[in-house]
Amino acid sequence: DVKVTQSSRYLVKRTGEKVFLECVQDMDHENMFWYRQDPGLGLRLIYFSYDVKMKEKGDIPEGYSVSREKKERFSLILESASTNQTSMYLCASSRTSQSDEQYFGPGTRLTVT
Amino acid sequence: SQQGEEDPQALSIQEGENATMNCSYKTSINNLQWYRQNSGRGLVHLILIRSNEREKHSGRLRVTLDTSKKSSSLLITASRAADTASYFCATDKGAQKLVFGQGTRLTINP
Repeated sequence: DVKVTQSSRYLVKRTGEKVFLECVQDMDHENMFWYRQDPGLGLRLIYFSYDVKMKEKGDIPEGYSVSREKKERFSLILESASTNQTSMYLCASSRTSQSDEQYFGPGTRLTVT
Repeated sequence: SQQGEEDPQALSIQEGENATMNCSYKTSINNLQWYRQNSGRGLVHLILIRSNEREKHSGRLRVTLDTSKKSSSLLITASRAADTASYFCATDKGAQKLVFGQGTRLTINP
């Protein structure tokens, strides 16, 4: 079974802190994604990556950056956390080639105080 | 803007009944996918239907796609308490980018 793991289920950080959210997948998937999920807004794509050291902006990249140094790992970085980044963050991965299903991690609920 | 929009936003039915959720979208798509999310968890893929398909089945799930109306429906037959979850449609316009709707919250009452 494909497994996507995220480093923390719950995280509390202070405004202005630098925050790292880690995601690891074990199925050698090419594509990896970061979403945030907010009530009433659904899932919104922050960043995605098609390959190592490659990244593309999603719909809401402002205030975030990403890193993909290894194929299995995709990190989301909040350079200076703000209260409006309090949210559920979901990582996903998928195979390359044609459009395919995405496999999601369990999510990290981040609270910025 | 949201590509997929689910309807209804919430649905409550008795165990054993069928549940139908609808999804509408605005532009042409490569495929449409349905996902389930249990409370506070990640999403789980249920079914994918390609733009050249009209109907697909998987166990108790039946998905239809009408590209002329830009709509899809998810039918869950003989519902169970374990089906209580939020259900999302996601449209894929290409390049692996999915656009999710806001979801339908389904509650199955025993």
